[in-house]
Amino acid sequence: KNEVEQSPQNLTAQEGEFITINCSYSVGISALHWLQQHPGGGIVSLFMLSSGKKKHGRLIATINIQEKHSSLHITASHPRDSAVYICAVAGSARQLTFGSGTQLTVLP
Amino acid sequence: DTGVSQNPRHKITKRGQNVTFRCDPISEHNRLYWYRQTLGQGPEFLTYFQNEAQLEKSRLLSDRFSAERPKGSFSTLEIQRTEQGDSAMYLCASSSPTSGIYEQYFGPGTRLTVT
Repeated sequence: KNEVEQSPQNLTAQEGEFITINCSYSVGISALHWLQQHPGGGIVSLFMLSSGKKKHGRLIATINIQEKHSSLHITASHPRDSAVYICAVAGSARQLTFGSGTQLTVLP
Repeated sequence: DTGVSQNPRHKITKRGQNVTFRCDPISEHNRLYWYRQTLGQGPEFLTYFQNEAQLEKSRLLSDRFSAERPKGSFSTLEIQRTEQGDSAMYLCASSSPTSGIYEQYFGPGTRLTVT
């Protein structure tokens, strides 16, 4: 079993829909990252959180430490949101452990 | 501050050849990380430097792989005698002394194709 599991693996939505991507992890963590990766490979950090909820524009990230679960929400989705979204956790080790990503496609 | 840069962006090589990638972290970031990402998967940790010291290496980093950060600034990742299984995106990230591992800034990656 992977330490970080994301669901769904693939998600197709219509423009304007509310989107949720889930991340579950099995190890104790200090922080959790949500990352965005566009075609071509570059990764951008969206959120880093260790508790509660953060909001940036149309993006909202929540984390429940007790349940070892985090969600990334996108409100009023747009085709430019199409990308791979990756959850990564920072535990006791010095490196991040990544999920396999969720491929999001938003259709106009 | 121009962010983390990596060169080259793309590399195509024949099996058995050696390749070297370079990563320039954000200035004053003392921590530098190398990750490998195969198609359809999330990145996997390869190795980590704090200043010039290589503090951690993954079991993924076989004897054919070597990484250096000679002056604690840029880093190089060399793969000797490349194999087709080495085809992947190689990502570099850096973080500052204050934020540590918790806030890593990623470069655009180097995509390696071994034919």
